[in-house]
Amino acid sequence: GAGVSQTPSNKVTEKGKYVELRCDPISGHTALYWYRQSLGQGPEFLIYFQGTGAADDSGLPNDRFFAVRPEGSVSTLKIQRTERGDSAVYLCASSRVLETEAFFGQGTRLTVV
Amino acid sequence: GDSVTQMEGPVTLSEEAFLTINCTYTATGYPSLFWYVQYPGEGLQLLLKATKADDKGSNKGFEATYRKETTSFHLEKGSVQVSDSAVYFCASWNSGAGSYQLTFGKGTKLSVIP
Repeated sequence: GAGVSQTPSNKVTEKGKYVELRCDPISGHTALYWYRQSLGQGPEFLIYFQGTGAADDSGLPNDRFFAVRPEGSVSTLKIQRTERGDSAVYLCASSRVLETEAFFGQGTRLTVV
Repeated sequence: GDSVTQMEGPVTLSEEAFLTINCTYTATGYPSLFWYVQYPGEGLQLLLKATKADDKGSNKGFEATYRKETTSFHLEKGSVQVSDSAVYFCASWNSGAGSYQLTFGKGTKLSVIP
């Protein structure tokens, strides 16, 4: 596609539920990144993939968060047992390879009620 | 770890005014530095970047110079337009530290009034 696509654009879920957030990177981009942006803050790094493997997942806040990229293209961020504190905008970005410009999607706004 | 500090907003300017948004960083080694912009309803876009000391990044009339001695990367524009209203984020990327994550500041909201 023309840009990084994230779905859904908005997600409201109840506390304790499981959610999946999807990211379609720009075609041909091998590197994919997830960030989280809380209200009034800058984006915070969660995880990045080089191909299918998670090269650095040091930003995942706890073991309720998990991300996959099984075929080296689409990625899914999975959050188990959601908490109100998980409410934020989740941003995905991709780049052709590491060390090149990252292009961001418009994000998924997650609200946990 | 690495960190980025930028001036708090919001900043409100009249059209054609001069803009400065301050940004300082802390990092081991020599990171690359970026300014990203987020227009209302849109995703983050790279505005400009600089990869080494004394480099000047420029785009759309905006400029920023990588100052190693003051660990700064201030964003400037000589004459702002209403269309520049957006949130601006300063960021660093320290690939020399073995990771490819961007570290962002908190963002500065700019409103330009006619």
